[in-house]
Amino acid sequence: QVQLQESGPGLVKPSQTLSLSCTVSGGSISRDNYYCSWIRQPAGKGLEYIGRISTGGSTNYNPSLKSRVTISVGTSKNQFSLELSSVTAADTAVYYCATLYSHAGVDYFDFWGRGTLVSVSS
Amino acid sequence: SSELTQDPAVSVALGQTVRITCQGDRLIYYSASWYQQKPGQAPVLVIFGENNRPSGIPDRFSGSTSGNTVSLTITGAEAEDEADYYCNSRDTSGDVIFGGGTKLTVL
Repeated sequence: QVQLQESGPGLVKPSQTLSLSCTVSGGSISRDNYYCSWIRQPAGKGLEYIGRISTGGSTNYNPSLKSRVTISVGTSKNQFSLELSSVTAADTAVYYCATLYSHAGVDYFDFWGRGTLVSVSS
Repeated sequence: SSELTQDPAVSVALGQTVRITCQGDRLIYYSASWYQQKPGQAPVLVIFGENNRPSGIPDRFSGSTSGNTVSLTITGAEAEDEADYYCNSRDTSGDVIFGGGTKLTVL
């Protein structure tokens, strides 16, 4: 059973860069048609897709966040990271990492981390 | 606003059947997946590829498609099914999106 765990600062100052890591255990992220992804959820609101990366390094980002987002694979193959620059209070949310299967018109996020709350405040 | 439209709230009597719907133009071309989220917990995949259940998901959960609308049906709702439910697919630009979510209350 694949398990994911998010880690990173719980508080970021406005205009700074939010940085989170996701560690994957119990399985490989290097599977055909699988991607490492990030999703966020502001308190009391719905889920928002942030973006994904393949183990080959190709990325896809939510157009509304694309100018501020970078997702990368870590030096150890079982880690990947999220950076979100120029944050504001609107970026305060629970951030989830998840594995995404995507192929031939079928997408699904099958394994999720427990999520980590990131607050943007001075 | 999401291009996948869900009713904000739905209720069902204990033991009865409930259908939660998700409407979107691209659902004609892409399948949808469904997630259950209970308070303070991460979402859990319950249906993928229109009507496939991951291991461990009870068979009272099923999915279906009709035109540009996909549905999650719970047959014989139990108290533990009370949760928020989100659909996931693609928007008109082909980007991954989630529906706005449906809060299911089991009466």
